[in-house]
Amino acid sequence: AQTVTQSQPEMSVQEAETVTLSCTYDTSESDYYLFWYKQPPSRQMILVIRQEAYKQQNATENRFSVNFQKAAKSFSLKISDSQLGDAAMYFCAYRSLLGGGADGLTFGKGTHLIIQP
Amino acid sequence: DAGVIQSPRHEVTEMGQEVTLRCKPISGHNSLFWYRQTMMRGLELLIYFNNNVPIDDSGMPEDRFSAKMPNASFSTLKIQPSEPRDSAVYFCASSPSQLSPLHFGNGTRLTVT
Repeated sequence: AQTVTQSQPEMSVQEAETVTLSCTYDTSESDYYLFWYKQPPSRQMILVIRQEAYKQQNATENRFSVNFQKAAKSFSLKISDSQLGDAAMYFCAYRSLLGGGADGLTFGKGTHLIIQP
Repeated sequence: DAGVIQSPRHEVTEMGQEVTLRCKPISGHNSLFWYRQTMMRGLELLIYFNNNVPIDDSGMPEDRFSAKMPNASFSTLKIQPSEPRDSAVYFCASSPSQLSPLHFGNGTRLTVT
């Protein structure tokens, strides 16, 4: 079974600064998807960014980008120009392509991001 | 696109009572997932449906939990009888295919006293 590890329970960053959230995963599969979800206090789960494992190019969505290191099984999220609205729990997630995706998403325990004004 | 709709948003019940959580997936999505979120265990997959058929329910914690999907636009998660340790946020999510992200509802916060 796959596991996802987020080693930072909490991170704090000054508004307008850049912050990187770490994620590592364990798998024996060669093809899979990785995601970052954001959960604000409203508890809605919002997709931030996704990465296909077969793509070498790192995904980017506006101020959000990832550093995907397949050999190291690392998938970090970089948030540039942090804004107060970025304050939330961030979850890293893995999706296997085996078994028709029956495993859904395997989540890390999350990182609580605090934005200091 | 109304998104995944869950009801109720909050549910408070007494131990021993039956609880039913409801979910309407996004139209056209053929995969539906029920997750449970707690502080201790994080997000756990309970059950997965594909084309209304339960494919994997190995995450369902006990026989007290059951889930149904009578049609493509509705699913229920039932706990009978409920216990205080069932208190959690329960999420429903749907996906159009295994290559796609999951779209989550806003969750139901269940409190069992």
